[in-house]
Amino acid sequence: AQTVTQSQPEMSVQEAETVTLSCTYDTSESDYYLFWYKQPPSRQMILVIRQEAYKQQNATENRFSVNFQKAAKSFSLKISDSQLGDAAMYFCAYIDPPPTGGSEKLVFGKGMKLTVNP
Amino acid sequence: GAVVSQHPSRVICKSGTSVKIECRSLDFQATTMFWYRQFPKQSLMLMATSNEGSKATYEQGVEKDKFLINHASLTLSTLTVTSAHPEDSSFYICSARQDLGEQYFGPGTRLTVT
Repeated sequence: AQTVTQSQPEMSVQEAETVTLSCTYDTSESDYYLFWYKQPPSRQMILVIRQEAYKQQNATENRFSVNFQKAAKSFSLKISDSQLGDAAMYFCAYIDPPPTGGSEKLVFGKGMKLTVNP
Repeated sequence: GAVVSQHPSRVICKSGTSVKIECRSLDFQATTMFWYRQFPKQSLMLMATSNEGSKATYEQGVEKDKFLINHASLTLSTLTVTSAHPEDSSFYICSARQDLGEQYFGPGTRLTVT
């Protein structure tokens, strides 16, 4: 079964600095999607960024970028110019692309709490 | 676009009663909806997957007679917690997916059973 591991339960960063959140995963599939979700105190899950495994180019969304290392099964999120509003729980997630023989369910990591210090 | 709502946002019920939570896709037709449970400071745990017009598929360990899921239309799924007990108190989140697309999450419902 696919698993997603976030080994750092908490991190902190100074406002305007850069922080990298780590995530590793395990799968026997060659094609899949990876996501980073943000859950602020409101608890609304917000998609931050998404990466298709067949794409070699790392995804970027404004201040958010990923370092996708397929062979190492690593998917880290870099937040540049951190802002106070970035403070939240961050979840790494994996899914098999439909339609496949896979479960097509999002598999989440345990999450990481990011604190942004002013 | 791609907005998912949940109602109610908070509910308090007495032990032994049942409570229904609604999940609606407001601007798209959701062929599949998912129900998650989240304990404090923990990740989301998938409870069940429901496809419009068919029975829900429950994850291992989730009591289907206790957590009744109905997906009667392409925009509405409901989760009914039957004979609720204090241990059912949790944060319940739904998500909706159109065809083979991305999942969009609702804002969640906090259930407290007294």
